[in-house]
This record gives sequence, C-alpha cells and structure tokens, in this order.
Amino acid sequence: AQSVTQLGSHVSVSEGALVLLRCNYSSSVPPYLFWYVQYPNQGLQLLLKYTTGATLVKGINGFEAEFKKSETSFHLTKPSAHMSDAAEYFCAVSTTFNNDMRFGAGTRLTVKP
Amino acid sequence: DTAVSQTPKYLVTQMGNDKSIKCEQNLGHDTMYWYKQDSKKFLKIMFSYNNKELIINETVPNRFSPKSPDKAHLNLHINSLELGDSAVYFCASRQGLSNQPQHFGDGTRLSIL
Repeated sequence: AQSVTQLGSHVSVSEGALVLLRCNYSSSVPPYLFWYVQYPNQGLQLLLKYTTGATLVKGINGFEAEFKKSETSFHLTKPSAHMSDAAEYFCAVSTTFNNDMRFGAGTRLTVKP
Repeated sequence: DTAVSQTPKYLVTQMGNDKSIKCEQNLGHDTMYWYKQDSKKFLKIMFSYNNKELIINETVPNRFSPKSPDKAHLNLHINSLELGDSAVYFCASRQGLSNQPQHFGDGTRLSIL
C-alpha cells in the first residue's frame, strides 16, 4: 500500500523567505502525488498535482513541487513566503490500483512578519 | 455555486445521541468519500462510494453508517455518539480515475458534550 511521510510537523519562515515543505512517498507502483492546503476552519484545497510527464509542476499561489523518483520525494517550494501562506499543508498519494488517497500527517506553516 | 457542501457546519450534541451529516456535490463526480480529521489534523479515510456502491470501508465502528441515495449525495449517520467521535468530518468527491484530485467540503465540526 502507498503512504507519505511529511518531515516536520511545523515549519516557520520569515515573510519573503523561501518556503520548503518536505514530502516523501512510498509506493510499489507509479504514484500520483498531490499537495493540498487547509486554511483555518476550511476544507482542503488543491495546490498542485503530479501524474505523469514534467516532473516540475506549478500550482496556485506561486507554489511548485518537483517529483524525484530516485529520492521518492515530492517537496513543495515557494520562493518568497507571504503572510497569507500561513496554513496547514498536506501531501497525498494515490495509484492506479487504489481508489483512495493517502494523506501525510500535515505540516503547519507559520510566516513571521 | 458550492461544489461540495456539507450540513451542518457545526454540530454540538450529547453522548449517546444519534446524528446525521449530509453531503452533496454538484460536480457530476462518481466517487464520494468521508474523512475524519482529529485534533492533530490527521486525516483518516472512513468510507468511499462509487456510483452509489460502497468501495472503501476502513476500520470504523459500526455505529457509523454511510448512505448514498444517489451519485451526488453521501450522508453519514452516527449512532450512540461517544466523546471520541469529536472531530471534523470532511466529505470529498472525485471523478473517475485515481490521478484526479479530490474536492473537499468545508467540514462539519462535531463536538460531543
């Protein structure tokens, strides 16, 4: 079965600094990978996804992620953090052989002024 | 206009009561899900329906019973509520293949007194 591990339950950056949220996956078949963001008292919103093709994927709000098969990673980055980026971020994985999606434990991003 | 809508948004009730949460999606998706998010933000899948058929039934107490009257609706009924049922419950939907993202509702915050 597939799974994801998010390294760091809490990441704190200064406004304008680089954001790096780490995600490693485990899957015996090619994975489909997703990043979601959750703002307080809201549901999860899709930031970006990787299915096939280009390994660097761009998403909403200036975020991007790179699929690295050799490292089984799908880290999320943003060059310059904004106060509005403060939220909970979830990495998720699914495969062709499963109808469900497995989520990581989440990483809370705090942005300091 | 809301894609996945859940009602109610907040539910406060006493131990031992029975309650239901409703979910509707207007995206034309054929698969719907229920997730439970605990106080540490961990997301656990509970159930999934595809075209009104139950396809995922994780280890969940049988006090929880999902019902899907049609493809656009997936309700969750909970009998004999316990303190440990306090959580945020999210409904989600997806169309077809596992490389598609899930779309989430805003959640129902259940508090047991």
